[in-house]
Amino acid sequence: QKEVEQDPGPLSVPEGAIVSLNCTYSNSAFQYFMWYRQYSRKGPELLMYTYSSGNKEDGRFTAQVDKSSKYISLFIRDSQPSDSATYLCAMTEAGSYQLTFGKGTKLSVIP
Amino acid sequence: NAGVTQTPKFRILKIGQSMTLQCTQDMNHNYMYWYRQDPGMGLKLIYYSVGAGITDKGEVPNGYNVSRSTTEDFPLRLELAAPSQTSVYFCASSDFFPPSTNEKLFFGSGTQLSVL
Repeated sequence: QKEVEQDPGPLSVPEGAIVSLNCTYSNSAFQYFMWYRQYSRKGPELLMYTYSSGNKEDGRFTAQVDKSSKYISLFIRDSQPSDSATYLCAMTEAGSYQLTFGKGTKLSVIP
Repeated sequence: NAGVTQTPKFRILKIGQSMTLQCTQDMNHNYMYWYRQDPGMGLKLIYYSVGAGITDKGEVPNGYNVSRSTTEDFPLRLELAAPSQTSVYFCASSDFFPPSTNEKLFFGSGTQLSVL
């Protein structure tokens, strides 16, 4: 079983839709959880960061962590064509230098 | 503010050739990283550095070497290129180590390498 499994997609939604992106993990030592957004031919950029179970909101984005189920989600409300990108989940243990990334989900928001 | 700059953007190598991927950052970050991203796969850490003169292996270091003579530069060397090294390579830097705080990794735009 891989450490991080990410729903692969790709995902295509109409503009204004609510998008749900998900990752599951097996390593209970993971303490810090991130979502990166990667536009085509660009490096990833940090979108959301959280370290506790529960929800964290930032504008149209909500990161959700359920440590008991080893499950994280990213919700995008009122999706826009500019949200079209690949979304990567990432996580790490406390004190570790290494992030473990999911494979990424390619999202297309159709005008 | 340039951030993290990688050169070249694209390169085709023949099997057995050598090359150096360049990475420089202008944010005075102590910590720098090299990742590779294979199609449909997550990023894998190759090497990292916690400061000038100090480097260490990541998850997939075989076939690569690094050096860190200055804070700004962190080149990645491929000595004998193999088809398995066909990938997109990303350099990143951060202000804190490990990146398990709210400080983020700053990524370059990547180098797309094909080994034929």
